[in-house]
Amino acid sequence: AQSVAQPEDQVNVAEGNPLTVKCTYSVSGNPYLFWYVQYPNRGLQFLLKYITGDNLVKGSYGFEAEFNKSQTSFHLKKPSALVSDSALYFCAVRDLDTGRRALTFGSGTRLQVQP
Amino acid sequence: DGGITQSPKYLFRKEGQNVTLSCEQNLNHDAMYWYRQDPGQGLRLIYYSQIVNDFQKGDIAEGYSVSREKKESFPLTVTSAQKNPTAFYLCASRTGVPNTEAFFGQGTRLTVV
Repeated sequence: AQSVAQPEDQVNVAEGNPLTVKCTYSVSGNPYLFWYVQYPNRGLQFLLKYITGDNLVKGSYGFEAEFNKSQTSFHLKKPSALVSDSALYFCAVRDLDTGRRALTFGSGTRLQVQP
Repeated sequence: DGGITQSPKYLFRKEGQNVTLSCEQNLNHDAMYWYRQDPGQGLRLIYYSQIVNDFQKGDIAEGYSVSREKKESFPLTVTSAQKNPTAFYLCASRTGVPNTEAFFGQGTRLTVV
């Protein structure tokens, strides 16, 4: 089975400070990992993904994420937060080695960036 | 303008009624998905389809049904057997290539009245 944990319901950060949104995963095989962002009453927008290769993945809007296989983590980061980054963030995983071809999502982390 | 279109945006259902949520994509994607979103629970998979005329149950399929008669369309029916249907429903699609990301529609908010 595949699963994702986002241990923080909410993260608060001041504008201009670095931000981190945490994600850990569990799969029996090799993972594909994704981050999505959701604004109120909207669908999810893709931010970035890890498939293979470099552990540091860069994505949209200045976000990046670091894949750590030993810690089974895929934390989302940004060097300098903007108020407009305030939204709900979801981490998701797909296990390459099982027959399930659908993403499993975490419970989401609400990011609040204060001016 | 390519993308995934969900309709309606808001839907109200009376107790005991079946309702159907529409999901249409013009991205030529093979795979389509339905997720349910409840506050604090993230997204849970209801059904998914990898190819036309085939679909599989997800984690919370009870009380829901789907069809995939056309590549572009993957409607979801919320039946009266679904005891707690009030939620935000999201449809997604992606290509058949394993490492590609899914694209999401704007969602349908279903409320039981």
